[in-house]
Amino acid sequence: GENVEQHPSTLSVQEGDSAVIKCTYSDSASNYFPWYKQELGKRPQLIIDIRSNVGEKKDQRIAVTLNKTAKHFSLHITETQPEDSAVYFCAASNAAGGGADGLTFGKGTHLIIQP
Amino acid sequence: SAVISQKPSRDICQRGTSLTIQCQVDSQVTMMFWYRQQPGQSLTLIATANQGSEATYESGFVIDKFPISRPNLTFSTLTVSNMSPEDSSIYLCSATEGLGGSYGYTFGSGTRLTVV
Repeated sequence: GENVEQHPSTLSVQEGDSAVIKCTYSDSASNYFPWYKQELGKRPQLIIDIRSNVGEKKDQRIAVTLNKTAKHFSLHITETQPEDSAVYFCAASNAAGGGADGLTFGKGTHLIIQP
Repeated sequence: SAVISQKPSRDICQRGTSLTIQCQVDSQVTMMFWYRQQPGQSLTLIATANQGSEATYESGFVIDKFPISRPNLTFSTLTVSNMSPEDSSIYLCSATEGLGGSYGYTFGSGTRLTVV
């Protein structure tokens, strides 16, 4: 089955600086890679996703890059703000039109934004 | 995007009893899933809830312990049977339309289960 590794487990950055979280996956059949933000006591919220036919995707301060050859994808957050503090999870699945596998999650990164 | 309502939001149960968690989606969805998230940990997939057939379980999870129903395209239940303190966790349902969908995988608000 799929295995997703995520690093670092904790990341502390100064407000306004950039944060990068990295994930690797093992199953070459995986083609969908979402990132979730989870605040304490709340459900995971999708912040950005990328499909395997795309190398990079950006949404305002958030971007995701994918290297299919290396089986590696990364989350980039620029101009970090205090409200970015949360746990971030990467995930992978084999998703097709009309059907999809469940997500395999990384272990999470606790992002701390220092004022 | 689809909105998922999950209940109960939390419960405290006696060991040896069972709890059924309900998940209702506000639109028809192709796939529904159940996850477990132990305190401070990541999410682990329990099973895929298949409409009209038996659920597909991941390694380490069995139907006798976690029976799942999915009678239609908007509703699913997960039962945690014969509970022990090790079952204390957050249980979340999730739904997706598949790759052709526009909202990826959405999650319910979770059920925080404590077994005493």
